[in-house]
Amino acid sequence: AQSVTQLGSHVSVSEGALVLLRCNYSSSVPPYLFWYVQYPNQGLQLLLKYTSAATLVKGINGFEAEFKKSETSFHLTKPSAHMSDAAEYFCAVRKGGGADGLTFGKGTHLIIQP
Amino acid sequence: DVKVTQSSRYLVKRTGEKVFLECVQDMDHENMFWYRQDPGLGLRLIYFSYDVKMKEKGDIPEGYSVSREKKERFSLILESASTNQTSMYLCASSAPREQYFGPGTRLTVT
Repeated sequence: AQSVTQLGSHVSVSEGALVLLRCNYSSSVPPYLFWYVQYPNQGLQLLLKYTSAATLVKGINGFEAEFKKSETSFHLTKPSAHMSDAAEYFCAVRKGGGADGLTFGKGTHLIIQP
Repeated sequence: DVKVTQSSRYLVKRTGEKVFLECVQDMDHENMFWYRQDPGLGLRLIYFSYDVKMKEKGDIPEGYSVSREKKERFSLILESASTNQTSMYLCASSAPREQYFGPGTRLTVT
């Protein structure tokens, strides 16, 4: 069965600093991996996805993630944090088979310090 | 733009009531999903549907049922609401390799 572990339920960075949100996965099939962002009182918005093409994936709002099979990781990064990046971030892996849904991590709340 | 809409943003119901949460998508997607979101637990899959009248249990189906009579509409039903079903409910529909989420319904059962 697929699973996702997000390290750190809360991450705090200063405005302008590097953002690093960690995600490790377990999958019995070649994984499709996703990062979603959720702003307060809103639904989930897709940031980026890995679907077995390039291992470095660029997403919206300056975020990117690198798929590392040897480390079973898919960490999310952004070179310079902005106050508007404060949100909840979720890593997810597709369960397998097109209709099976996603398995989500427990989420990381990103706090931006001025 | 894909649009997934949910019938209510906020809902308050009493214990024992039958509750319907409605979800509509406008992109002719075959697959639709219901998740619940709880603090510290992330999102967990309740049910999904891959075609009209077809449904499959997800990870936490107990206490829930679903209905899909039309391709664009997927309903989540709480037959007899309980306080432990107080949560945020998110509907999604999927194209290949991507899921699109609705804004969520925050359900409170008192």
